[in-house]
Amino acid sequence: SSELIQPLSVSVALGQTAKITCGAANIGMKNVHWYQHKSGQAPVLVIYRSRQRPAGIPERFSGSNSGNVATLTIIEAQAGDEAVYYCQVWDYTTDYVFGSGTEVTVL
Amino acid sequence: EVRLVESGGNFVQPGGSLRLSCTASGFTFSDYWMHWVRQGPGKGLEWVANIKEDGRETYYGDSVKGRFTISRDNAWHSLYLDIDSLKVEDTAVYFCAAGQHFADCLDFWGRGTPVTVSS
Repeated sequence: SSELIQPLSVSVALGQTAKITCGAANIGMKNVHWYQHKSGQAPVLVIYRSRQRPAGIPERFSGSNSGNVATLTIIEAQAGDEAVYYCQVWDYTTDYVFGSGTEVTVL
Repeated sequence: EVRLVESGGNFVQPGGSLRLSCTASGFTFSDYWMHWVRQGPGKGLEWVANIKEDGRETYYGDSVKGRFTISRDNAWHSLYLDIDSLKVEDTAVYFCAAGQHFADCLDFWGRGTPVTVSS
């Protein structure tokens, strides 16, 4: 099974660092992708293949992946970063799998 | 500018049928795998189906196999999802997405089109 476990919510003070985790057995052996989804808008790819940043995504967004946990890190958090963040992997038994989503609130 | 615009969402009774469409612009449509992903009310994202660049391969999530059919028309830069035997649990916003490689990320997404299945 490739169920991806994410915390339901993460709160971060303005200008501080948020870390969003995505857990699964041996996820460090897979490519993990992260999407930012604001209500009513199109989801946006913010990190692909665990640590690569698409063109146009600020350097404040970074990713890491090792062992059983992948992490999306947002430094210098801004109000505009408030969204639900989803991790995603591809697995040959379950195809494209998304995590349950983490709502990020900037205080 | 990359754009994916979905249409066709509607209110449908259980057992009914629907065709969703997605029109693409701003990228070479025929170079991308195309996907449908849905989000039920209060739920997360669920991958539904995808189709190869040339349309010759299709794959489906377990919950929709046998009822959903994905297709594309590269000449019209369009993606389709035909849904039969609709169930209440198919109620969701349906997103169209594009990915350059199989088994990889979804590079671009649309805003989605809502489907409500209810009697």
